[in-house]
Amino acid sequence: AQSVTQLDSQVPVFEEAPVELRCNYSSSVSVYLFWYVQYPNQGLQLLLKYLSGSTLVKGINGFEAEFNKSQTSFHLRKPSVHISDTAEYFCAVSHNYGGATNKLIFGTGTLLAVQP
Amino acid sequence: KAGVTQTPRYLIKTRGQQVTLSCSPISGHRSVSWYQQTPGQGLQFLFEYFSETQRNKGNFPGRFSGRQFSNSRSEMNVSTLELGDSALYLCASSDGTGPYEQYFGPGTRLTVT
Repeated sequence: AQSVTQLDSQVPVFEEAPVELRCNYSSSVSVYLFWYVQYPNQGLQLLLKYLSGSTLVKGINGFEAEFNKSQTSFHLRKPSVHISDTAEYFCAVSHNYGGATNKLIFGTGTLLAVQP
Repeated sequence: KAGVTQTPRYLIKTRGQQVTLSCSPISGHRSVSWYQQTPGQGLQFLFEYFSETQRNKGNFPGRFSGRQFSNSRSEMNVSTLELGDSALYLCASSDGTGPYEQYFGPGTRLTVT
């Protein structure tokens, strides 16, 4: 069975500081990896995804993530955060079934709280 | 292109009642997935429909059901509501040809009293 662990439920950071949100996954098969962001009272927006190829993926709003197969991690990073980045961030995985399903398994989320 | 729309946005029901939620995917998308989001359990997969057929199902009781129409619009139904069904219900659409971008709607906030 697959599972996703986001160890940090909340990450406080000052504006313009760098941030890393951690994500580890467990799966016996090949997976696809995603980061989503959720602003208050809104749905989820895709930040970035890893399907194959280069292990460093760049997303929207200056975010990037690195896939590390040996450590089964997919940590999200941003070199300089803004107040507007305050939101809940979710890491998710799906099985590499060759497209047979879109089922996503989500982590419990990390609240990024950017302070002025 | 219009995004994913969900109706209604907010709903209050009483225990024992049933409820139907609606999701209209992005034009051209054939896959619709439903998720339940609660503070205690987080985001959990309910089911996915592709071309009017249920393609995958999560671990929810039979009180939760869904269907998809020929225009790809989807509905989910919860019968005999329980207090624990209070949640944000999100639907997501994709073209269904791979585990690629899923576009989420704003959700329906269901409160069961």
